[in-house]
This record gives sequence, structure tokens and C-alpha cells, in this order.
Amino acid sequence: QVHLQESGPGLMKPSETLSLTCTVSGGSISDYYWSWIRQPPGKGLEWIGYIYYNGNTNYNPSLKSRVTMSVDTSKDQFSLKLTSVTAADTAVYYCARGTTMMGLDFWGQGTLVTVSS
Amino acid sequence: SSELTQDPAVSVALGQTVRITCQGDSLRTSYATWFQQKPGQAPIRVIYPRNNRPSGIPDRFSGSTSRDTASLTITGAQAEDEADYYCNSRDSSGRNLVFGGGTKLTVL
Repeated sequence: QVHLQESGPGLMKPSETLSLTCTVSGGSISDYYWSWIRQPPGKGLEWIGYIYYNGNTNYNPSLKSRVTMSVDTSKDQFSLKLTSVTAADTAVYYCARGTTMMGLDFWGQGTLVTVSS
Repeated sequence: SSELTQDPAVSVALGQTVRITCQGDSLRTSYATWFQQKPGQAPIRVIYPRNNRPSGIPDRFSGSTSRDTASLTITGAQAEDEADYYCNSRDSSGRNLVFGGGTKLTVL
């Protein structure tokens, strides 16, 4: 069974850079796209972007200027960097695996990131 | 704003049938995935592209698509189906993913 686990800071200050890593176990990181999705408290899901196993990326246009994703196939990990965070970036951040035919089929449990001064 | 539009809230009597809809132009060319999310939990996939149901999801959940609208139907809703439901597909460019705003389902 594929398992995804997010890791990163729980509390940040405004203007800092958020860095999150998703570790994949139970399956290969190859042949899939790997997404980041977030959910502000009490609100809906927002797609941040995805990265293919070969490093190709696609980002949400509304966040594109602040987002960078990377993948490390040797460690079965992929990462998210979000610069210049504000309180509006406070959310539960999820990582997920996807394919065109299967959709986003496996998700991590999510990690809460709070941005506060 | 989302390119996929969902009703914010829907209710259904226990044992009855409910349809949750998701409308967007991109659904004319891209299939939807449906997720169920309960409080404090990660979303779980209940319907995936071409209206397929993952193993382990009860067969009372089904999906369909007509023109620009995808639908999730629960036939014989149970108390445990009370949750938020999100549709997910590609946007009009075909490159980006997008989620609907979510529908809160109440089982009465």
C-alpha cells in the first residue's frame, strides 16, 4: 500500500519561506505526478501544483510566482517551497499521488502550517 | 474563484438518494474525480475518471457526466456518508488541476 507523509514546520513567521517534504513509501515515485494541495481552516481544497517524476512541473497560476517544487527519486521524496508567506497561507498542506486515469489516488494525512507573527 | 461550481450544502433523508453536482466548461473534455472528506481527515477518493469506483468504496456511490456537469449520486444514503464532497478535474487550459468549492452533505 502506498503511503505518503508530509513533514515540515508547524509554525512560521510572515515573509519566511515554507519548505515541506513528502516521503513516499510502498511504491515507486516513477510514472506518476505528485501534487501539493492545501486547505485553509474551515475552507475548501486548493491545488498548489504538481511535479512529475522526471522533474517537469505545473503550478497554480495564482501561486506560481511564489512556488517551487522539486523531486528526489533516490530518496522517494518530493518537496514544496512557498516564499513570502502571510497569514493567508495558513492551511493544512497535503501531498498526493496522481495519474490521468486514476486521479489523485493516495494522499498524505496533511500537516498544519500556521503563519503568525 | 473556482472553475468548478458546486452547491455549498445539500441534505438527504436517511436511506434516500442524493445527487451532488459539479459544473464547469472543462468537464466537457476532462473527467472528474470525487472526494469525500470528514472533519479532521484527509480527503478520500470515491469516484475517479470515467466514473469508476475504487475498491472499498460502497456501490451506493456512483458517478456520471452530462455535457458540462459531473454528478455524484449516493443511492440509499447512510449516516456515515455525512461529509464534505469535492469534485476535481482539469481547468479550461487542460494543464492545471482545479477543485470545486465543496458540498456539505447532511444526512437527516
